[in-house]
Amino acid sequence: DAGITQSPRHKVTETGTPVTLRCHQTENHRYMYWYRQDPGHGLRLIHYSYGVKDTDKGEVSDGYSVSRSKTEDFLLTLESATSSQTSVYFCAIRGALGDYGYTFGSGTRLTVV
Amino acid sequence: AQSVTQLDSHVSVSEGTPVLLRCNYSSSYSPSLFWYVQHPNKGLQLLLKYTSAATLVKGINGFEAEFKKSETSFHLTKPSAHMSDAAEYFCVVRDSNYQLIWGAGTKLIIKP
Repeated sequence: DAGITQSPRHKVTETGTPVTLRCHQTENHRYMYWYRQDPGHGLRLIHYSYGVKDTDKGEVSDGYSVSRSKTEDFLLTLESATSSQTSVYFCAIRGALGDYGYTFGSGTRLTVV
Repeated sequence: AQSVTQLDSHVSVSEGTPVLLRCNYSSSYSPSLFWYVQHPNKGLQLLLKYTSAATLVKGINGFEAEFKKSETSFHLTKPSAHMSDAAEYFCVVRDSNYQLIWGAGTKLIIKP
């Protein structure tokens, strides 16, 4: 598989605690994405990045923040986790504009109790 | 705005029979369309993509899809189902900002 890894793979956390998920790539791709997957919804975009320190919101960004201080890492932070943020989170990478090749990480299963 | 509708949440077929997973899209311009597959507790794998070349697109594992502009459809087919095809399938359209808009998914069940 292409060089994209997510950590952790599984996490259980308590309501109100901060949580950070990490996406790491070795492809030097410009674009990185965070999605969440919930039953009956497919994947929904949370935030994306189009370069170092360049990020923008997706359709379900409330309660989430992101940071990208270097090309290879894209962090997703839940400042104060809620039960509605229990989900599977996928990171994806893509090369240049016009490149149709999205590559997805293996996912992080987050449970907020 | 672009949107995707997968017409069936579940499809059940017998092994060795044809598979048809239906997808309709809405787009204000000529779209790029994709099918992804997700096996249980696994990541997402690209099956095939349509990017305005041939309207009949062949993918991996014997799957293919036909882009029909007049019907705004991009249905996924396979002539003969195999047990290993049991998975969830997602139809996806790329919007004008190169973001992916996902359908809700279709679970394919294969009966022995």
